[in-house]
Amino acid sequence: EPEVTQTPSHQVTQMGQEVILRCVPISNHLYFYWYRQILGQKVEFLVSFYNNEISEKSEIFDDQFSVERPDGSNFTLKIRSTKLEDSAMYFCASSDYSDRGADLGSGRAGYTFGSGTRLTVV
Amino acid sequence: KNEVEQSPQNLTAQEGEFITINCSYSVGISALHWLQQHPGGGIVSLFMLSSGKKKHGRLIATINIQEKHSSLHITASHPRDSAVYICAATNYGGSQGNLIFGKGTKLSVKP
Repeated sequence: EPEVTQTPSHQVTQMGQEVILRCVPISNHLYFYWYRQILGQKVEFLVSFYNNEISEKSEIFDDQFSVERPDGSNFTLKIRSTKLEDSAMYFCASSDYSDRGADLGSGRAGYTFGSGTRLTVV
Repeated sequence: KNEVEQSPQNLTAQEGEFITINCSYSVGISALHWLQQHPGGGIVSLFMLSSGKKKHGRLIATINIQEKHSSLHITASHPRDSAVYICAATNYGGSQGNLIFGKGTKLSVKP
């Protein structure tokens, strides 16, 4: 079954450093996302990406963050000048879902998450 | 802004029991997702539905659009079902399917 691959699985970085989290989405998916989960809290939307540009971003996704699809397969999240509060699990996801309210006949989600990158800022 | 609420927050069951987890949301949605998060943190999509009922193995998801409510049922529960189950919604008019998550229900199934 196709997978979304994220690297690294764990990253420890010094406060103020830049980190790049990498993701390889499923090849025929069109929509890509980054989410984060601070320990003990719910998963939060960061940004969605479609047709090589950001389609929506949350209030969390400020100038400190950027996304890129540099080569048609990788999808990266860059965090500049990391802060202690950036420590979280970061999930990449991809989907073939379009927001038309379609009822997927099989009920199985066309939405796949990576296994996450645990970022610790010290 | 849509709010997604789940209940219960924690649920302990004996193996074999029938389990129900509930989800409600505050505004109209285009789709409702049920996800499973394992202790290691990985998230797996279980269902995506916009109406009616879906079934996969021992898992059943239902949604009532008028009442803005969805349920996830697990029949003949097993200790390997122990995980956090998360409800998430995509809004009408929302762009490209980004999800709004509930806080999750931590399920523990005892042998």
